[in-house]
Amino acid sequence: GNSVTQMEGPVTLSEEAFLTINCTYTATGYPSLFWYVQYPGEGLQLLLKATKADDKGSNKGFEATYRKETTSFHLEKGSVQVSDSAVYFCALSDQGAQKLVFGQGTRLTINP
Amino acid sequence: DTAVSQTPKYLVTQMGNDKSIKCEQNLGHDTMYWYKQDSKKFLKIMFSYNNKELIINETVPNRFSPKSPDKAHLNLHINSLELGDSAVYFCASSQESGLIKYNEQFFGPGTRLTVL
Repeated sequence: GNSVTQMEGPVTLSEEAFLTINCTYTATGYPSLFWYVQYPGEGLQLLLKATKADDKGSNKGFEATYRKETTSFHLEKGSVQVSDSAVYFCALSDQGAQKLVFGQGTRLTINP
Repeated sequence: DTAVSQTPKYLVTQMGNDKSIKCEQNLGHDTMYWYKQDSKKFLKIMFSYNNKELIINETVPNRFSPKSPDKAHLNLHINSLELGDSAVYFCASSQESGLIKYNEQFFGPGTRLTVL
């Protein structure tokens, strides 16, 4: 079945550092790919998405490119802030079943 | 003006009890979902409903019974609660009709269930 694997956390960085959170997937067909963010005590919010190969999703300084050849959707940000501290989830759409399949989540902590 | 709301936010109860969690969305979406997030933050879908019809039931025990009285509501009733049911339960909704490709899911704030 479809699956998503994220880099293990937790990840701790200093403010203004470069961030990469790796995400790879296994899927049949052509899923859409998503990054969701969960701030402490809150629900998930969509951060960005890409619906086909080579698409780049971007939002709030975060970017991720849908790479079909490497089945990856790595999340990057050039300069992180303390307010970026959260849990980040990579997910793919299982279009036939209308559901999201999530990675295990990566907890990110940014220190001032 | 909350898009997806859940009640209660916290629920503490004894093993063996029956409890319900309610979810409402005011986005006009046609599909609603329940997800379970365990203590390690792993998220897994439990159910989805499209226009009040059950679409997905992911090998969830029969003690869990979703009910969708209308498109805007999807409630989750749990019978005979067990310790392992302790988790955060998230409701979500999306618009999946017709030719529109897979769309963003909007999540509620979650209900933290603790079974003692």
